[in-house]
Amino acid sequence: GAGVSQSPSNKVTEKGKDVELRCDPISGHTALYWYRQSLGQGLEFLIYFQGNSAPDKSGLPSDRFSAERTGGSVSTLTIQRTQQEDSAVYLCASSFYRDTQYFGPGTRLTVL
Amino acid sequence: EDKVVQSPLSLVVHEGDTVTLNCSYEVTNFRSLLWYKQEKKAPTFLFMLTSSGIEKKSGRLSSILDKKELFSILNITATQTGDSAIYLCAVEALGNEKLTFGTGTRLTIIP
Repeated sequence: GAGVSQSPSNKVTEKGKDVELRCDPISGHTALYWYRQSLGQGLEFLIYFQGNSAPDKSGLPSDRFSAERTGGSVSTLTIQRTQQEDSAVYLCASSFYRDTQYFGPGTRLTVL
Repeated sequence: EDKVVQSPLSLVVHEGDTVTLNCSYEVTNFRSLLWYKQEKKAPTFLFMLTSSGIEKKSGRLSSILDKKELFSILNITATQTGDSAIYLCAVEALGNEKLTFGTGTRLTIIP
């Protein structure tokens, strides 16, 4: 079946604008994760959804970042009032409960 | 705070060589250690290790975990140019679903 998909693949925006990044997990996967990878850095956990449970938001770097998951499937990561330090590749992963996480191709965000 | 350190940061070898990538970790209530290969953007899953001393093998790639010394190695034999990538190591703790990643080892294979 299809893997994790993300859109857009690339996003260039101006400082101060809001952006929305989308993730479609693997069908049937219960868990969805967002990570961020800045240049030269490892992947940094942002937020985790598991079924209908309250999300684990412990990795969100500021209140400008939020995410939602509608109907237990598609997720949107929103960054408000973007800053240059938000420039990174945003990766989404999904898993069946706590099994192996499979990653999408990511969205490369550039804030000018 | 959970921590993963990978070495070397980068490695350049000739095609046909064998390489060993290292991953050491500190984690409270260890559950598993995972290796991913990242070409371009999407990390692709290689191995999940949960028990010490049991080698996981897939073709020319193999990996083993030492839970006493808190490290894992990833071996690649007879390297090919297609092995060029960033290799990421991550750990998962019990009761904490997020993965903690190292910064990766950038492997470059020269033809």
